[in-house]
Amino acid sequence: AQKITQTQPGMFVQEKEAVTLDCTYDTSDQSYGLFWYKQPSSGEMIFLIYQGSYDEQNATEGRYSLNFQKARKSANLVISASQLGDSAMYFCAMRGSTGGFKTIFGAGTRLFVKA
Amino acid sequence: DTAVSQTPKYLVTQMGNDKSIKCEQNLGHDTMYWYKQDSKKFLKIMFSYNNKELIINETVPNRFSPKSPDKAHLNLHINSLELGDSAVYFCASSPSLAGASGANVLTFGAGSRLTVL
Repeated sequence: AQKITQTQPGMFVQEKEAVTLDCTYDTSDQSYGLFWYKQPSSGEMIFLIYQGSYDEQNATEGRYSLNFQKARKSANLVISASQLGDSAMYFCAMRGSTGGFKTIFGAGTRLFVKA
Repeated sequence: DTAVSQTPKYLVTQMGNDKSIKCEQNLGHDTMYWYKQDSKKFLKIMFSYNNKELIINETVPNRFSPKSPDKAHLNLHINSLELGDSAVYFCASSPSLAGASGANVLTFGAGSRLTVL
């Protein structure tokens, strides 16, 4: 069975500092994709970054980077230079290549950015 | 133009009633989904459809009946509403069904908040 685990229910970070949000996953699929989504208080789901299981380089998108450690089955999100607008829920997700290709989500981490 | 649009945004209704939520995407995607987000923010997949064909039904009570008249639309009808059905329901779409590539990012609608009294 596929599973995503986010162990940090809440995190605080000072504005302009970097923060790492943890995500571990479990799957028996060889090919899979890892995603991070942001959900601000307004409720919409915003895609941030993607990492494929065969990608050797860590993905980066602007201030977001994904620290992918395949052997440890972890896909942590790093946000550099935090901004007040980064305060939101962050969800790690995985899409497998079997079982209907569904995308499953972790429980989320609520990030608070302090001024 | 909204890529994935859901209506209504808010639904307040009594236990035992029947309600529907509509979803439309103008992205030309083949695959559409319904997700339920509970009060603890946990997101769980309910259904997926690919080109109008049901692919995933995640042990959802049969009071929930999805319908996809064409690949751009996926509606959700709920019969005999219960208190536990209160949640935010998200519609989403992706370009295709198969594959775990970055091309299959989910694009979400704004969500429909259902409150059952």
